Amino acid sequence: DVKVTQSSRYLVKRTGEKVFLECVQDMDHENMFWYRQDPGLGLRLIYFSYDVKMKEKGDIPEGYSVSREKKERFSLILESASTNQTSMYLCASRPGLAGRNIQYFGAGTRLSVL
Amino acid sequence: EDQVTQSPEALRLQEGESSSLNCSYTVSGLRGLFWYRQDPGKGPEFLFTLYSAGEEKEKERLKATLTKKESFLHITAPKPEDSATYLCAVQAPGANNLFFGTGTRLTVIP
Repeated sequence: DVKVTQSSRYLVKRTGEKVFLECVQDMDHENMFWYRQDPGLGLRLIYFSYDVKMKEKGDIPEGYSVSREKKERFSLILESASTNQTSMYLCASRPGLAGRNIQYFGAGTRLSVL
Repeated sequence: EDQVTQSPEALRLQEGESSSLNCSYTVSGLRGLFWYRQDPGKGPEFLFTLYSAGEEKEKERLKATLTKKESFLHITAPKPEDSATYLCAVQAPGANNLFFGTGTRLTVIP
């Protein structure tokens, strides 16, 4: 079974703090993704990575950065957390096989910025 | 602009009362349509992928179908444990990621 593990289920941070959300997958997948999920807006893509050290912006990258130093790990960084970044953050991974875009998700991190 | 619309937003069913959830999309040249189930406070769990019109997939009480403009998730004789939010997502040509709808929240009452 594919396993995508997010390091924290719940986080509470202060405005202006630097926040790291970590995600690890154990299936040697090339592609990894970070989404945020908000009521009424669905899942929105923040960033994705298709290889180590490679990244591409998604639909809402502002205020976020990412790091992928190793194939199995993809980190989302909030450089200076703001209250409008309070949300559920979901990490996903998928293999690099053409035509098979099944993304496997972690359990999510619910972040509250006060 | 690519769009995915799910309806209804919420659905309450009595146990055993069959129904269907709808996912309509406007992506041209669809590469794949995906159904996920999401329980409260958890990440989405993959259910089905459909690639071409006329395709059908089944799993227990769930059956997904695909036409050129929409997909249906049919739920036959649902049980309370089928209560969840069901998400639909599409992959457009040349896209690396999925574009998600906002989901249908299903509640099955015993």
